[in-house]
Amino acid sequence: EIVLTQSPGTLSLSPGERATLSCRASQTITYYSLAWYQHKPDQPPRLLIYGTSSRASGIPDRFSGGGSGTHFTLTISRLEPEDFAVYYCQQYEDSPPGVTFGGGTKVEI
Amino acid sequence: QIQLVQSGSEVKKPGASVKVSCKASGYNFNKYAILWVRQAPGQSLEWMGWINTVNGNTEYSQKFQDRVTITTDTSASTSYMELSSLRSDDTSVYYCARGLTIFGPHYFASWGQGTLITVSS
Repeated sequence: EIVLTQSPGTLSLSPGERATLSCRASQTITYYSLAWYQHKPDQPPRLLIYGTSSRASGIPDRFSGGGSGTHFTLTISRLEPEDFAVYYCQQYEDSPPGVTFGGGTKVEI
Repeated sequence: QIQLVQSGSEVKKPGASVKVSCKASGYNFNKYAILWVRQAPGQSLEWMGWINTVNGNTEYSQKFQDRVTITTDTSASTSYMELSSLRSDDTSVYYCARGLTIFGPHYFASWGQGTLITVSS
């Protein structure tokens, strides 16, 4: 099973600043297998990015994803007040079929 | 508007089973997979399994393989997740989600509101 390690655990920033979140995989994963989610308290998670860099429907362009191999990043170009949340990376495997999530990064003010 | 509406919170005793429902609306139920994940208090998300809504094929996480069953009632656009032999560490919020496609790669594109299952004696 592929293990995803997210860093940092907590990111303390101010509105308007740039946030860069890291997700490292224990082995190489394909570009189409990596996604990012935003999770706020008392709400279900929201898909932000899939296939490493494709934005999901309705996601603002200040969110961007990149990376390859074992290192992937989520960048929020200019933090808005509503962006303070926990972010999870997720990977999908074909063989054997499965899904794993990282431990999460909390972006706080 | 895509909606996934889950059944309400439940309290169960250790050893019991629970069945959570997930009713979909606003899209063609047979064109997208349904996936299930859970989140224990203070923990990350944990994938449990998914179901192909066309042919009923399922894949389960090895961790839950012996205890979880995911089914669908296509006539009601509803998926069900049943977890048996409940333990206290099964206390979690359980989510269903619609995939981006019927096949992989599987991403959780639209989510239900979550169902809190508490296991306590």
